[in-house]
This record gives sequence, C-alpha cells and structure tokens, in this order.
Amino acid sequence: SQQGEEDPQALSIQEGENATMNCSYKTSINNLQWYRQNSGRGLVHLILIRSNEREKHSGRLRVTLDTSKKSSSLLITASRAADTASYFCATVGQGGGTSYGKLTFGQGTILTVHP
Amino acid sequence: AAGVIQSPRHLIKEKRETATLKCYPIPRHDTVYWYQQGPGQDPQFLISFYEKMQSDKGSIPDRFSAQQFSDYHSELNMSSLELGDSALYFCASSSRTSGSFTDTQYFGPGTRLTVL
Repeated sequence: SQQGEEDPQALSIQEGENATMNCSYKTSINNLQWYRQNSGRGLVHLILIRSNEREKHSGRLRVTLDTSKKSSSLLITASRAADTASYFCATVGQGGGTSYGKLTFGQGTILTVHP
Repeated sequence: AAGVIQSPRHLIKEKRETATLKCYPIPRHDTVYWYQQGPGQDPQFLISFYEKMQSDKGSIPDRFSAQQFSDYHSELNMSSLELGDSALYFCASSSRTSGSFTDTQYFGPGTRLTVL
C-alpha cells in the first residue's frame, strides 16, 4: 500500500463486542477518513477527522488520531452482524493549489461479526 | 438524496479492446476523482478534475485518459486493455468549500471491469 498498514488485517468477533482497527500512515496529513466497503461494493464514508482534532464520535463509531505517531484508530462499539465489511482508512495530504484532495488508502481490515 | 452514478455497472471486454466508463457526480459537486481497486487491494487514485480541468494525476497508465465535461460528468477512457486492468473502478465527487479540497468524497457504486 502507498499509505501504510492497517492492523489487524482481519478481525472476527461476536455480536455485541467492540471492534478496534488501527491505521498508520507515512506523510503529513490534512485529514484522515474511514470508509466501509461491503464485499465488492462501493465505499461508504463513515467519519472524517482533521489533523487538529484528536477524537471524534459518530453514533457507535469513535475515531482517534495521533499525528505524532502518524496513526489512527476506529472503534465500533456494540457491533452487529450488519457491521461485517472491510474498513479502510484514507488520508488527504497537506498541500496547496489545486493539486491535492486525493485519498491515499490503507490496506483495510476485514471485520466479521458473528450473530 | 442523489448519489454518484456510474455506468455501466459491469463491463466485459477482450484484451486490446477499448472501454469507456462514465461518472455522474452529485449535483453541485465540482470535483471528480477516479480510483482503481484490484482484487483484494486497496483503492488507488488515478486522476481528478476540478471545474472541468485536470487537477491531480496518480498512477494512471498512458493508455488511460479522462475528462470532465461541461455538465460535470466525467468519462474514463481505457484503450489497449490488458488482463491486469480487470478491477473495480470507482468515481467519487466532492464540493470544494472555502478554497479547500479537503472535504468528504462520496463514492459511486463502481464499475466492475473484466478483461478476458
């Protein structure tokens, strides 16, 4: 991956448990976003955290960002079978003019939630 | 709410043929991005357009070209197709706010291209 590593590559849990996925990146960023992808389907935007933010919540999602370690984590609480999907982090680099905004993705974590 | 539309959803081509993928962004979105996702891979940025001008270019082969039209829809043209071009091709759109490209990108459902 151009961006870095996601950890773990696969995660299997029971419904009701929490799932934590980690992401590391290599360059300075403007923001970091998390996406979900059901098998072979489109990418659904979950949450965006800017480089000057440390933590953000959205429903059952909690994202943290540590720019000194170039890492982020996504926590899904009280997981459901419907949360089964691949989860990707993606970064937008710092830059100027008209030539930034592209997303650089991590390798993704495959989450399986068993009923 | 309107989403990003991509067509076709599935496309099967032979080696050395040409393919054209279309993307219709969310209304009033002025920026379009194209990404390629190979089997089991993470999406890779190909190219982007802002206000009908190319704004950034990633690892896009010379055999591929793209443009954004006056109605903001975009087309990705792929020539001399190779087996390795088989992938999911995503289009995403966003709206530039306050001079920034840093806001959320909304993805279409993708076009699955199979090259035989």
